[in-house]
Amino acid sequence: ETGVTQSPTHLIKTRGQQVTLRCSSQSGHNTVSWYQQALGQGPQFIFQYYREEENGRGNFPPRFSGLQFPNYSSELNVNALELDESSLYLCASSGTGASTGELFFGEGSRLTVL
Amino acid sequence: GEDVEQSLFLSVREGDSSVINCTYTDSSSTYLYWYKQEPGAGLQLLTYIFSNMDMKQDQRLTVLLNKKDKHLSLRIADTQTGDSAIYFCAESTGNYQLIWGAGTKLIIKP
Repeated sequence: ETGVTQSPTHLIKTRGQQVTLRCSSQSGHNTVSWYQQALGQGPQFIFQYYREEENGRGNFPPRFSGLQFPNYSSELNVNALELDESSLYLCASSGTGASTGELFFGEGSRLTVL
Repeated sequence: GEDVEQSLFLSVREGDSSVINCTYTDSSSTYLYWYKQEPGAGLQLLTYIFSNMDMKQDQRLTVLLNKKDKHLSLRIADTQTGDSAIYFCAESTGNYQLIWGAGTKLIIKP
């Protein structure tokens, strides 16, 4: 069983640039959630995708957008990056059979915005 | 609004019990979770408790839930150096959307 993998693991961008982060969900999982975790903070929910449709969104601007593909992998896109968006971006997958709501996390993509 | 609060640090001696506390605000939460984050690693689910339970025990871990006070605790018995990590409390809001605390860093003294 393959776990959740994210790429890239680290990247540096400058303010105003755009970034795409990628996530492969755990085998058999059809739901992907994205979280932003600033240093010293808990994760903040960005949005969730279920069967290629956005299925819930946190308090993030439209500059944060996503995609989910037929194989349930996902992308997080952020346009016009701001300095305070330097964070660890976490992807988590889950399956509809998991009634406990357990999320399986990748190790994250650490984004630095200069 | 929704909020989950935890103290930021806890220091215990190796072999003692660790008790990490959390308060939450959403009384409609169905599940409450404890996740562990080690340096350079992803978040790992340690245990969870359903909202109609008061206690759950899993080997060295004991979770206590006081729904009236919206208080959740995690007790780790016989704390070992490998337990050093940041522990996050999280509550579910439905559709797997979780609200997280800021995490408690557990420091183990020899």
